[in-house]
Amino acid sequence: EAGVVQSPRYKIIEKKQPVAFWCNPISGHNTLYWYLQNLGQGPELLIRYENEEAVDDSQLPKDRFSAERLKGVDSTLKIQPAELGDSAVYLCASSQTGVGEAFFGQGTRLTVV
Amino acid sequence: GENVEQHPSTLSVQEGDSAVIKCTYSDSASNYFPWYKQELGKRPQLIIDIRSNVGEKKDQRIAVTLNKTAKHFSLHITETQPEDSAVYFCAASIGGGSYIPTFGRGTSLIVHP
Repeated sequence: EAGVVQSPRYKIIEKKQPVAFWCNPISGHNTLYWYLQNLGQGPELLIRYENEEAVDDSQLPKDRFSAERLKGVDSTLKIQPAELGDSAVYLCASSQTGVGEAFFGQGTRLTVV
Repeated sequence: GENVEQHPSTLSVQEGDSAVIKCTYSDSASNYFPWYKQELGKRPQLIIDIRSNVGEKKDQRIAVTLNKTAKHFSLHITETQPEDSAVYFCAASIGGGSYIPTFGRGTSLIVHP
């Protein structure tokens, strides 16, 4: 069984440029999470989807971040414009409703210069 | 929202010793407590979890204990090996339908041969 797939693995962009991350969750997982992980810190939730509906996005900086999960499967997270402080690892995870365990992707390491 | 505190931030042990990592949580409604291991540059992976109706769970050299009254839970690793070296994250989650893990800041475990 394929795990959670994220792309790209690494991205370097100049500040003020846009960037997008893509996530393909495990087949059959209705819940999808985007987490932000700064160096030496634990993952922090940005947004959670139940199927195609964003049900918890209170931590998403909506002035520059946006996300979508069309058809309730793949998801994209976008930053526009990127700032130096956005440099971090962006993790996608998915889980089956009612089960608990979240499976993580490899993450996208973003560097804003 | 939920707040998870994790201690220590760094733990250094000799091979064969035991290691204990402690976490506290704030929301008494939390009912699912996973532990993740993250090796350098890799994705967090679940190593053990416990639900609020259980006080202790063991899997080979790893055990987790939960004290709901005090709102704290701990990870115990016995007979540590160099390959146990990694960052360990605890999380607390309120769930029924979907779970929303809130993570601690992580403990960097170093096992010296």
